[in-house]
Amino acid sequence: SQQGEEDPQALSIQEGENATMNCSYKTSINNLQWYRQNSGRGLVHLILIRSNEREKHSGRLRVTLDTSKKSSSLLITASRAADTASYFCATAGTGANSKLTFGKGITLSVRP
Amino acid sequence: DVKVTQSSRYLVKRTGEKVFLECVQDMDHENMFWYRQDPGLGLRLIYFSYDVKMKEKGDIPEGYSVSREKKERFSLILESASTNQTSMYLCASSLYGIGGSPLHFGNGTRLTVT
Repeated sequence: SQQGEEDPQALSIQEGENATMNCSYKTSINNLQWYRQNSGRGLVHLILIRSNEREKHSGRLRVTLDTSKKSSSLLITASRAADTASYFCATAGTGANSKLTFGKGITLSVRP
Repeated sequence: DVKVTQSSRYLVKRTGEKVFLECVQDMDHENMFWYRQDPGLGLRLIYFSYDVKMKEKGDIPEGYSVSREKKERFSLILESASTNQTSMYLCASSLYGIGGSPLHFGNGTRLTVT
């Protein structure tokens, strides 16, 4: 399976600190995506990074991709209480019938 | 912004009932998806559709069927609900095919089968 596996499973930080979440996968990918899910709601897309990209930014979010290590990281800088949520990585394979496969998620708690 | 609307936030059904979960998107997306989300298992793909009247099985299609009669609407059908189908069901749409572009999710339907 090329399912992404996030690490750590849970993270608790103080408001203002940076949060780093990691995702590893097993097979070649077309792209990797990060999503956020607030409690009891649907997922919201954050960033898509393609296999030929190494880094992308969006506001306080920075995503890196290392295809040689088959890993990605999501950095949230200057975290806020509103960043408290579950974060998922999802990998899109390279084959014609590849699916978007989600990891099990990381629970981030930002303490005010 | 894309809006994906799921008709119910919460549903309680009895074992053996036929259950319809409805999903509508307003961005003319070709592709629509149904996932279920369970603690410890993450999101698993049930079915997807890349065009009207077209459907493809995902990873866990057993016990489910789908219908896509119009481009904007994708329905998930539980033919005979069972307790192991108690879950959060998430509908999503995308501009391009699987993995080709971001998914836009609805807020989910939490289904309880008693």
